[in-house]
Amino acid sequence: ETGVTQTPRHLVMGMTNKKSLKCEQHLGHNAMYWYKQSAKKPLELMFVYNFKEQTENNSVPSRFSPECPNSSHLFLHLHTLQPEDSALYLCASSPSLGTGNNYGYTFGSGTRLTVV
Amino acid sequence: AQTVTQSQPEMSVQEAETVTLSCTYDTSESDYYLFWYKQPPSRQMILVIRQEAYKQQNATENRFSVNFQKAAKSFSLKISDSQLGDAAMYFCAYRSPMDSNYQLIWGAGTKLIIKP
Repeated sequence: ETGVTQTPRHLVMGMTNKKSLKCEQHLGHNAMYWYKQSAKKPLELMFVYNFKEQTENNSVPSRFSPECPNSSHLFLHLHTLQPEDSALYLCASSPSLGTGNNYGYTFGSGTRLTVV
Repeated sequence: AQTVTQSQPEMSVQEAETVTLSCTYDTSESDYYLFWYKQPPSRQMILVIRQEAYKQQNATENRFSVNFQKAAKSFSLKISDSQLGDAAMYFCAYRSPMDSNYQLIWGAGTKLIIKP
């Protein structure tokens, strides 16, 4: 058990589909993050939530829509994606933005997304 | 802006031997945090070791240690007595204390292969 659980593990979707990625943590953390990991590229931070409030949108296209209903759950809603959006999407959490980040993040195992 | 460079896309080492992974970074800040993360085939990103820039002593975690050269902006990871379970992608990351979202700046990673 990693502490951060992501579902589904794999997802194949067409460009006209709508799907959602889910992330759940039971660590009592208050900050949650979405990262995009593409082959041979550094991780890209997409969104940051702190105490359910979005604090960062790293110039992410509107076809990606995050949702954080509570501090334990984070969603990434996907619609009309492009093939170049195919990547591993990682969720992470940390105690909060202001403290505990010094100790790194706890990551999930990611959702491997393929857009066809 | 800060950048992190990992110049070795792939490294291999014989089991039980020692290997060093390189990381350099560019920053004008004097205080910051550096991390090494490991991503095994399970895809979960796992914190290996961290270093605070104001500490001159190199961090050590069991078989993992770093060689932190602040003036040279170098942060290499040494893995002693390599084990098959060490096979993974290794990522170096930088965190600025000035970033309000405490986000990490990542290198592109080094794939470590352990030869039995």
